[in-house]
Amino acid sequence: QSALTQPASVSGSLGQSITISCTGTSSDVGVYNYVSWYQQHPGKAPKLMIYDIRSRPSGVSNRFSGSKSGSTASLTISGLQAEDEADYYCASYTTTTTVFGGGTKLTVL
Amino acid sequence: QVQLQESGPGLVKPSGTLSLTCAVSGGSISSSNWWSWVRQPPGKGLEWIGEIYHSGSTNYNPSLKSRVTISVDKSKNQLSLNLTSVTAADTAVYYCARGDRFPINPTFDYWGQGTLVTVSS
Repeated sequence: QSALTQPASVSGSLGQSITISCTGTSSDVGVYNYVSWYQQHPGKAPKLMIYDIRSRPSGVSNRFSGSKSGSTASLTISGLQAEDEADYYCASYTTTTTVFGGGTKLTVL
Repeated sequence: QVQLQESGPGLVKPSGTLSLTCAVSGGSISSSNWWSWVRQPPGKGLEWIGEIYHSGSTNYNPSLKSRVTISVDKSKNQLSLNLTSVTAADTAVYYCARGDRFPINPTFDYWGQGTLVTVSS
């Protein structure tokens, strides 16, 4: 099972919006609505930000939103803040394993 | 508040066995959740290793299945990971995480702090 494809890096200015894509196949993202997104700051454990494509856990800012079109899931962060600078990973269900994306480094300018 | 704490040797010799334990507090390992191990090589991305339910049912990443065993000790409220025949490629930070009520679901809501395991002679 190959890793999901994410851009290596994205950047945005304070207050702007950015979108991170996560491209899978018809064996994972394309057929199941079980995609999660994680935020990871350096030296810290990942934090769940979005699950089931677009659901937010309690306590996660509504500036974070998720969506899916075909085999590509997306994470959108609106009103960028300095503390949003981190690595972001998507993850998807498959019938045999959970597969992660390669990660995207978000830089807030 | 559920808390997870990984522990185990930080250095393992090549061809040896990596053994880690994850202690769960603030909640029961017998809850309706699956419990996973996830690893992250230095500077690289996340890789799901496998998961266990309190009944002992397991699911493993096919790429690691031949070398991995995950077990649960309900009396100690902890889960364990054994990875055999390790090489330098198994050097990583190893995390335990609480999963969803459904198997192989990529929703992990609580994570341990992670423990770095280095494979080197």
